[in-house]
Amino acid sequence: RKEVEQDPGPFNVPEGATVAFNCTYSNSASQSFFWYRQDCRKEPKLLMSVYSSGNEDGRFTAQLNRASQYISLLIRDSKLSDSATYLCVVNPGEGGGFKTIFGAGTRLFVKA
Amino acid sequence: EAGVTQFPSHSVIEKGQTVTLRCDPISGHDNLYWYRRVMGKEIKFLLHFVKESKQDESGMPNNRFLAERTGGTYSTLKVQPAELEDSGVYFCASSPYRQPTQETQYFGPGTRLLVL
Repeated sequence: RKEVEQDPGPFNVPEGATVAFNCTYSNSASQSFFWYRQDCRKEPKLLMSVYSSGNEDGRFTAQLNRASQYISLLIRDSKLSDSATYLCVVNPGEGGGFKTIFGAGTRLFVKA
Repeated sequence: EAGVTQFPSHSVIEKGQTVTLRCDPISGHDNLYWYRRVMGKEIKFLLHFVKESKQDESGMPNNRFLAERTGGTYSTLKVQPAELEDSGVYFCASSPYRQPTQETQYFGPGTRLLVL
């Protein structure tokens, strides 16, 4: 089993749609959680950190469920510019040597 | 503020040759990380520097890979001798604080390495 698992997609949605991505992680002691966005042939860029209380940034909402070891990202009112690969990223913290672990990514295509 | 830079952007070498990748982190960032993405796979951690010290190099594939960060500024990653399976994109990232668990890592554009 992979340490961080994501549905690879691709998700093909029309503009204005709401789309949700899920991610599960295997290490229950993991400390920090993030969603990164990666455009084709570019570097990953932080989209948002994920907190237990949930957090929202404009059209983006991230949720963390520690009991289920599950992270989600919700994108509302999708834009063409949201087309990218979304990476679920987990940092295990000191117990895991701070080794950041990436999911394989979920591809999103937003169509006009 | 300048971001993380990496050089070269692309490298094509033959099996058995040596290649050295360079990463310049954001000025003042103590933490520097190397990652690799091989075709069709997820990004994998290689190693982590805190200033000039290797904090964790458990992700380095084998002893053909050598990373250095003399003076705690830029870092180099040397592959010697290169093998076909070393092909991929090598990313460098940096972050500013002592405790890296909660902080954002800023990624460089990557070096695309192709070993023929």
